[in-house]
Amino acid sequence: NAGVTQTPKFQVLKTGQSMTLQCAQDMNHEYMSWYRQDPGMGLRLIHYSVGAGITDQGEVPNGYNVSRSTTEDFPLRLLSAAPSQTSVYFCASDSDGQGYGYTFGSGTRLTVV
Amino acid sequence: ILNVEQSPQSLHVQEGDSTNFTCSFPSSNFYALHWYRWETAKSPEALFVMTLNGDEKKKGRISATLNTKEGYSYLYIKGSQPEDSATYLCALLGSARQLTFGSGTQLTVLP
Repeated sequence: NAGVTQTPKFQVLKTGQSMTLQCAQDMNHEYMSWYRQDPGMGLRLIHYSVGAGITDQGEVPNGYNVSRSTTEDFPLRLLSAAPSQTSVYFCASDSDGQGYGYTFGSGTRLTVV
Repeated sequence: ILNVEQSPQSLHVQEGDSTNFTCSFPSSNFYALHWYRWETAKSPEALFVMTLNGDEKKKGRISATLNTKEGYSYLYIKGSQPEDSATYLCALLGSARQLTFGSGTQLTVLP
């Protein structure tokens, strides 16, 4: 059981480049979320999904797009990378939100130069 | 938008000491309160999911209480060990099952 798998683990982008951070879970969880972690600011919600075909914006959605075409996958797209998007990104999933808590991926460390 | 505060920001204790930290929220307009343990260079791991109305949970030396009326949750660690060193995150579960996190309490247990 792999849990939540994020790829890549590390990435360096140049300003203006685009890329997709991948997130996949094999637990048949309905709920999936993307967070970014910045020093002194904790985990901030970027986008979330309550099921295939349904996504919504979190606290800091600007500059990011998501889609949820399948239950398993929830990719995060950076449209035109900016230095302010340098951060550690975590994907997480849960089955019903009130059971055992969210399961987090191992994170993607992104640097935009 | 849910608001959640954690205190203290950081804490150093000696091995064997018991300790506690606080998660406070001005409004009880959420579905559940989560506690996570986050070790350096790892991912957050769920400790407790607290349901409303005075829930209490315990796992080994760690326990948590929730008082929605007064607007706080406490996390207690009894007899702290160096392996308890981590950042402890509190999060509120919103109506769409999304989490809003506090900024965490960083615990260091000195041997």
